[in-house]
Amino acid sequence: EAQVTQNPRYLITVTGKKLTVTCSQNMNHEYMSWYRQDPGLGLRQIYYSMNVEVTDKGDVPEGYKVSRKEKRNFPLILESPSPNQTSLYFCASGRDGTGEQYFGPGTRLTVT
Amino acid sequence: GENVEQHPSTLSVQEGDSAVIKCTYSDSASNYFPWYKQELGKGPQLIIDIRSNVGEKKDQRIAVTLNKTAKHFSLHITETQPEDSAVYFCAASRSNSGYALNFGKGTSLLVTP
Repeated sequence: EAQVTQNPRYLITVTGKKLTVTCSQNMNHEYMSWYRQDPGLGLRQIYYSMNVEVTDKGDVPEGYKVSRKEKRNFPLILESPSPNQTSLYFCASGRDGTGEQYFGPGTRLTVT
Repeated sequence: GENVEQHPSTLSVQEGDSAVIKCTYSDSASNYFPWYKQELGKGPQLIIDIRSNVGEKKDQRIAVTLNKTAKHFSLHITETQPEDSAVYFCAASRSNSGYALNFGKGTSLLVTP
């Protein structure tokens, strides 16, 4: 089954404790992206990647890092999480970034 | 990024009625306009999209219209059913990056039996 998977689905952590949210797709897509969703703000892009070793900033990249060492994986790294990063995070992938994006099920992160 | 304005933020209709959600965008070079449906606890899912060389596209009960001159596009759902209840997002591609979308803030649609 074609899908985007994210882990963990739920995470509660404390300020400053480094964490990684994994994202994997099995559709051989070139394009992958991370979004955060906050009430009243919709979906905002954090980072995206057009291919292995190619990443670029979205609208809200501060406080986040990404890497694309393999085509199928695009982890989101929070080196020192803060409470304002409490949000619902979605990973998405697409064939080339100019068409349909397939979203993962989301990761709900709470930073206390 | 460029703005995408979406209205209304909430919409309640009776089963069988039509629902219309409207979006406007500011980037005149945008050329791809998808609509996503997000059900509770799930990620957004594409339901229909349109490119700038087309004015209207229909898929069963769902249609999208695009007016490039006015820079607005709309989602039309006819014969609504309770399972259409969800949050709907419009989006527009960015001209300064072919690999990103600007999303509207979403419309929560409730279809009551």
